Amino acid sequence: AQSVTQPDIHITVSEGASLELRCNYSYGATPYLFWYVQSPGQGLQLLLKYFSGDTLVQGIKGFEAEFKRSQSSFNLRKPSVHWSDAAEYFCAVAARGTYKYIFGTGTRLKVLA
Amino acid sequence: DVKVTQSSRYLVKRTGEKVFLECVQDMDHENMFWYRQDPGLGLRLIYFSYDVKMKEKGDIPEGYSVSREKKERFSLILESASTNQTSMYLCASSSPGRGGDTQYFGPGTRLTVL
Repeated sequence: AQSVTQPDIHITVSEGASLELRCNYSYGATPYLFWYVQSPGQGLQLLLKYFSGDTLVQGIKGFEAEFKRSQSSFNLRKPSVHWSDAAEYFCAVAARGTYKYIFGTGTRLKVLA
Repeated sequence: DVKVTQSSRYLVKRTGEKVFLECVQDMDHENMFWYRQDPGLGLRLIYFSYDVKMKEKGDIPEGYSVSREKKERFSLILESASTNQTSMYLCASSSPGRGGDTQYFGPGTRLTVL
């Protein structure tokens, strides 16, 4: 069965530090991969997505993610975190040809001034 | 910009009441979804609809029903609300396309059942 694991429930970083949020998936073939961000009290906003091609994907707000097939991972990175990045981040996968997502349980990011 | 709106941001209901959560999208999307979000559990799919009057159960449909009479509107119905349905409810929409369906989310409705 498909699954998505975000091993870090909480992460705290200082403003200006680099960030990496982990996402591992279990699926027989290469799925579609997504990262969403949810600010407090808000819905989910798409940060970036991977469908095919270049394995390094650029998104909004200075985020990027790298698809590594050999590791079944799609980790999210940002070189320098801003206080406004404090939010909850969700990784999601979808099988090709379907519209059903499977979400990870989320990683809550705290940013220290 | 894709816009998905939900009728209420916050809702407080009593046990046994019938509850309607409304979702409207303005992008002519075929697919619409209802999720519930609970701490530590992520998002879980309740129901989805791939066309007007069409619906399919998601992972946790018990205690819920849905209605899609018009393409842009997808309603979630709690026939008899219970305290274990206190949660954040998120609506999303998407359109089939090459490279997969990106889901766009509404702001959510935080429902409290007393």
